[in-house]
Amino acid sequence: QKEVEQDPGPLSVPEGAIVSLNCTYSNSAFQYFMWYRQYSRKGPELLMYTYSSGNKEDGRFTAQVDKSSKYISLFIRDSQPSDSATYLCAMSGRNFNKFYFGSGTKLNVKP
Amino acid sequence: KAGVTQTPRYLIKTRGQQVTLSCSPISGHRSVSWYQQTPGQGLQFLFEYFSETQRNKGNFPGRFSGRQFSNSRSEMNVSTLELGDSALYLCASSSRDRGTSGSIDEQYFGPGTRLTVT
Repeated sequence: QKEVEQDPGPLSVPEGAIVSLNCTYSNSAFQYFMWYRQYSRKGPELLMYTYSSGNKEDGRFTAQVDKSSKYISLFIRDSQPSDSATYLCAMSGRNFNKFYFGSGTKLNVKP
Repeated sequence: KAGVTQTPRYLIKTRGQQVTLSCSPISGHRSVSWYQQTPGQGLQFLFEYFSETQRNKGNFPGRFSGRQFSNSRSEMNVSTLELGDSALYLCASSSRDRGTSGSIDEQYFGPGTRLTVT
């Protein structure tokens, strides 16, 4: 069993839709939960992160962590064609010795 | 501030050959991590170097090795290439400043080297 599971998609939505991206994990030692966005032919870039449980909002993006269910989510409101990319979740323990990534969900927002 | 650079961007090799990839981190960053990205397995951690020392290692065979120089630049070497080594190899740098709880050791990724083994 992989440490982090993520549905690869692809996920295709119309512009303006609310997008929900999810990951599950098995290691209860994870403390930091991150979302990266990767455009084609580019490396991943950090979108946002949360520490431990709870929600975090940044503009149109909201990250949620439910440690009891070992489940994290990223919501994108009012999705735009420029949001079309692969979204990867990543997790780490408190000392960042290793990052564990999901396989990524490819999102396509149609104009 | 210049970002993480990786060279070459694209590489084609044949089975049995070896390859060396290079990564220059962001100025001032002392930690360099390497990842392999494939459609099936996603992003998998290879190893991390900090101040010329390997700090952490993923579950890859000994054919995968790396090193870091005094200027923090890093190289990754794969010997006896196999078809399954075809992947995007990403390098990420960070300051490795652990800070306090709630802060993050942000990794900055380079664009990657696309390796094709034929």
